[in-house]
Amino acid sequence: EIVLTQSPDFQSVTPKEKVTITCRASQSIGSSLHWYQQKPDQSPKLLIKYASQSISGVPSRFSGSGSGTDFTLTINSLEAEDAAAYYCHQSSSFPYTFGQGTKLEIK
Amino acid sequence: EVQLVESGGGLVQPGGSLRLSCAASGFTFSSYSMNWVRQAPGKGLEWVSYISSSSSTIYYADSVKGRFTISRDNAKNSLYLQMNSLRAEDTAVYYCARAPNMAEKCFQYWGQGTLVTVSS
Repeated sequence: EIVLTQSPDFQSVTPKEKVTITCRASQSIGSSLHWYQQKPDQSPKLLIKYASQSISGVPSRFSGSGSGTDFTLTINSLEAEDAAAYYCHQSSSFPYTFGQGTKLEIK
Repeated sequence: EVQLVESGGGLVQPGGSLRLSCAASGFTFSSYSMNWVRQAPGKGLEWVSYISSSSSTIYYADSVKGRFTISRDNAKNSLYLQMNSLRAEDTAVYYCARAPNMAEKCFQYWGQGTLVTVSS
């Protein structure tokens, strides 16, 4: 099973700040890494697919990078509405796995 | 518009069974593989099971293997999860999820989830 480890677990940030969340895989997964945002009492929302591909309707301040074992989700110029939990997910091999999540709090 | 609507959740005793359903609409259900993902209260996301479009390929998380069975009825545009020998740790919101297209394996479309509570 491929283990995904996100860091940090929690981050408190101010609006307009730049945020970086990392996801490290226990073995190489190529670019089969996706990012989701989940707000309280809502279903997850796909933000970035295949490490760096943007999703229609997702604000351009969200971007992704990386390949192999190390991946990054970057949020430029954070907005109050970005307060949420963020998860990475690998689809390189079964069983699919998710990172433990990163909770973002807006000060 | 793609819609996924889960149902069948509820309160069940340890050792009991429950069958979840996911009604799909707005797309050609028979062309897409489907997944179940769950989330325990206050916890992160956990992938549960995958079924290919024709039901020929099925995978499970180790945590549910031998107890849960995924299935689908393409004529009824429905996905199912039969859950047996339920444990307290199976308590979670269960989501059905679909990829953006037939080639990709991320989850762009999610249902609203159905809550399963395993407790005596």
